[in-house]
Amino acid sequence: GIQVEQSPPDLILQEGANSTLRCNFSDSVNNLQWFHQNPWGQLINLFYIPSGTKQNGRLSATTVATERYSLLYISSSQTTDSGVYFCAVVSGGGADGLTFGKGTHLIIQP
Amino acid sequence: ETGVTQTPRHLVMGMTNKKSLKCEQHLGHNAMYWYKQSAKKPLELMFVYSLEERVENNSVPSRFSPECPNSSHLFLHLHTLQPEDSALYLCASSHGGGAGELFFGEGSRLTVL
Repeated sequence: GIQVEQSPPDLILQEGANSTLRCNFSDSVNNLQWFHQNPWGQLINLFYIPSGTKQNGRLSATTVATERYSLLYISSSQTTDSGVYFCAVVSGGGADGLTFGKGTHLIIQP
Repeated sequence: ETGVTQTPRHLVMGMTNKKSLKCEQHLGHNAMYWYKQSAKKPLELMFVYSLEERVENNSVPSRFSPECPNSSHLFLHLHTLQPEDSALYLCASSHGGGAGELFFGEGSRLTVL
């Protein structure tokens, strides 16, 4: 099956800093999503981005499908941005579920 | 109503008990999923239902039994579980199968004593 690798595994930043999270995947994809898992465990949808670039406030994401990677940018970090960020992909057709990476654990210090 | 709701949010059960987790989606989707998240492990896909038919079962032990009576409801029946089955169980739904955007519920945190 498809492999998903996220880096870095852990990231500690001061409030106001910018960060870039990376997701590499081993095969072509027809779905790529970024999630933020809050402390209670819920996965919050950030971006549905199998290709191209999207922006939502302080967050933006870019997927370069031909080179098999995606980047999540967080600007002007706030303490509420802390948590685990997951990249997940689907390769192939049909009703395949998402394959998740191991996540990036982000801590924003005041 | 939120898009995908799961009940109960927390469940403690003994190894000989039988319990069920429930998931309901209000998004008009036609595919539903169960995922398991254990400590220090990536989220694992357990079951996929598309148009109410199971299309994937990732070698999940038979003590987990899914049921999808219609496109809006999904259950996970639990019986004779083991302590290592303690985890966060997440339900999701999408439209158009895996290529569609998945939306997750808040999860059911299960503890097996």
